[in-house]
Amino acid sequence: RKEVEQDPGPFNVPEGATVAFNCTYSNSASQSFFWYRQDCRKEPKLLMSVYSSGNEDGRFTAQLNRASQYISLLIRDSKLSDSATYLCVVNTRTDSWGKFQFGAGTQVVVTP
Amino acid sequence: DVKVTQSSRYLVKRTGEKVFLECVQDMDHENMFWYRQDPGLGLRLIYFSYDVKMKEKGDIPEGYSVSREKKERFSLILESASTNQTSMYLCASSLMDANSYEQYFGPGTRLTVT
Repeated sequence: RKEVEQDPGPFNVPEGATVAFNCTYSNSASQSFFWYRQDCRKEPKLLMSVYSSGNEDGRFTAQLNRASQYISLLIRDSKLSDSATYLCVVNTRTDSWGKFQFGAGTQVVVTP
Repeated sequence: DVKVTQSSRYLVKRTGEKVFLECVQDMDHENMFWYRQDPGLGLRLIYFSYDVKMKEKGDIPEGYSVSREKKERFSLILESASTNQTSMYLCASSLMDANSYEQYFGPGTRLTVT
C-alpha cells in the first residue's frame, strides 16, 4: 500500500465551479502536510501548508482530518489557470530531518 | 527569489554510461534533495544532503550516488546507467528545518537511457 494516495483524476471542472479532492496517508505519525501544484512539464511549487485547524488562501481551502488520516483541497470559483496536477505531500518525522512522502498527484482540468 | 538550476533539461545516454546530473541553488539552503518522478508513482527520494559532504539515502538509492562538495551544489551520479533509470529527475533545496519549510525545485532533467 502506498504511504500517500491520491485519486489521479482527471477532475474536469467548468470554469467558476468548485472542485474538491482528498489525499489519504497511512502513517498516523505524520506531522506536516502540504499541497504542491505542478503545471505540465514544470517543477512542483508549494501551494499551501495544511494546518490542523484548516486554512484558507484565497480561493483555496485545505483541511486535515487526523482521525481518518486524510487531507483535502477545495478550489472555489475555478479559473482556467488552476488546471494543473496537485501533489499531496506528507512529512513523517522519524529522525532529525523527517521524511517527505509525495502522492502521485490529482489532475485538475478547468474547462471554459 | 530562490533559484534552483539543473545542468540539463534533456539528456540521452546509453546503457552503461556514467551520468552526472548537477544541481545548483543560490539561497544558501542547507538541505538539498534528488528525486525521480515517474507516472503513477509520484516523486521518490533518491538521496538528500543536509550539509556539505553529508548525505543520506532516500527510498530508492540503488544505482545512484551523490556528491556535495560545496553548499550550493549537489550532484547525482548514475554509475552505470540502465534503461530503468529513464525518468524525470528533480532537484530541490530547503532550509534546515525541512519539516516545516517548503522545498524549492529545479526545472528537472528528463533523462532517457537507451
